[in-house]
Amino acid sequence: DIQMTQSPSSLSASLGDRVTITCRTSQSIGNYLNWYQQKPGKAPKLLIYATSSLQSGVPSTFSGSGSGTDFTLTISSLQPEDFATYYCQQSYSTPLSFGGGTKVEIK
Amino acid sequence: EVQLVESGGGLVKPGGSLRLSCAASGFTFTDAWMSWVRQAPGKGLEWVGRIKSKTDGGTADFAAPVRGRFSILRDDSKSTLFLQMNSLKVEDTAVYYCTTYETHAGYSSGHWGQGTLVTVS
Repeated sequence: DIQMTQSPSSLSASLGDRVTITCRTSQSIGNYLNWYQQKPGKAPKLLIYATSSLQSGVPSTFSGSGSGTDFTLTISSLQPEDFATYYCQQSYSTPLSFGGGTKVEIK
Repeated sequence: EVQLVESGGGLVKPGGSLRLSCAASGFTFTDAWMSWVRQAPGKGLEWVGRIKSKTDGGTADFAAPVRGRFSILRDDSKSTLFLQMNSLKVEDTAVYYCTTYETHAGYSSGHWGQGTLVTVS
């Protein structure tokens, strides 16, 4: 099974900041890496699939990059609605697996 | 608009069984691969399992913690997905989400239901 290491587990940032979250997999997964956003009490929402493809309706302030075992989610300018928890997920092979999550809080 | 509505959650004793349902609309359910994801209280997301469309074989795969205890079924005539959970354990307590499994979008979970809470105690 593929293990996921997501970092940091939490971060504090200010409005307008550039934020970077990283995800590392225990083996190469090509570009089968997805990112989700979850707000308290709500279902997760798909942000980016296949490493860098933006889901319809997601602001262009979100971007993804990487390949193989190292991946990055970047928020170029943090907005009030971006304070949430973010999860990476590998979809290269079953069982699929998620990273532990990164909680983005207001500084 | 894609809608996924889960139901069937509740309180069950250890060793018991429960069947969750997910009513789907707004897309061609027959062609869809579907999955279940769960989230224990205050914890992260955990993939539970996935079922392919009948056209693609209709087979299901599961995460190790639930393999042999859980099964995923589908009724294409009613656009409904099921999660049959047997031999439930305290550690199965979680909100269970039904999701689409996007074969044309990196096998991501493109759409999610609102979730249904299962408490094993």
